Amino acid sequence: KQEVTQIPAALSVPEGENLVLNCSFTDSAIYNLQWFRQDPGKGLTSLLLIQSSQREQTSGRLNASLDKSSGRSTLYIAASQPGDSATYLCAVRGNTDKLIFGTGTRLQVFP
Amino acid sequence: DVKVTQSSRYLVKRTGEKVFLECVQDMDHENMFWYRQDPGLGLRLIYFSYDVKMKEKGDIPEGYSVSREKKERFSLILESASTNQTSMYLCASIPGQGPSYEQYFGPGTRLTVT
Repeated sequence: KQEVTQIPAALSVPEGENLVLNCSFTDSAIYNLQWFRQDPGKGLTSLLLIQSSQREQTSGRLNASLDKSSGRSTLYIAASQPGDSATYLCAVRGNTDKLIFGTGTRLQVFP
Repeated sequence: DVKVTQSSRYLVKRTGEKVFLECVQDMDHENMFWYRQDPGLGLRLIYFSYDVKMKEKGDIPEGYSVSREKKERFSLILESASTNQTSMYLCASIPGQGPSYEQYFGPGTRLTVT
C-alpha cells in the first residue's frame, strides 16, 4: 500500500531564504506526482506536476524534482516571500486515478 | 481556466439530517472525486466517478453515497449525518487518465454536524 510522507511537518523561515520541502513515497510504481498549495480554510491549488518519465518541472520560483527509484521528490522555493506562507502537499498517482496525499508541510515565511 | 465549484463554503447540519454537497466543473472533465480532509489524517478519498452514472468506492465510503447524473456535476450525500462526519470536504476533477493530467480542486465545504 502506497504511503506518502512529508518532512518537515512545519517550517518557519525569514523572507528571502531558499528552501526545500521533501516528499517520500514507498511504492516507486507511480504515474505522476503533483505538488499543491493550500491556504487556510481553502481548497488546493496545483503548483507542479511531474510525470514518472520526468526528472523535474519548474514554474517561476518553484522547482520540483523527482527521483522515482529512491521514492523521493523535493519542492525547491527560491527567494521565499511572506505570500508563500501556506501548507504544501504532495500527492502521488498510481495506475488508477487515485491520488495518495502526504499530510503536508506548513510553511511560514516572516518578513 | 478550469473551474471547480462547490455549492457551499460553510454548512451546519444536525445529527440525522440528510446532507447534499454539490460539485460542478466546467471543463468537460471525465473523472470526478470527493475527498475529506481532517487534521493529522490528511486527504482521504471517499468516492470517485469515471463517467456519468458510474461510481467507485474510495478508501472511506462508509456513511456516504454519490450521484452523477450529468457529466459536470458530482454530488456527495450523507444519508444520516453524524458528528464524526464534521470535516472539510473537497471535490476534484481531472480530464482523463493520461499521465500529464492534473487534478483540479474546488474551494471546499466546511461541514459541521451538531
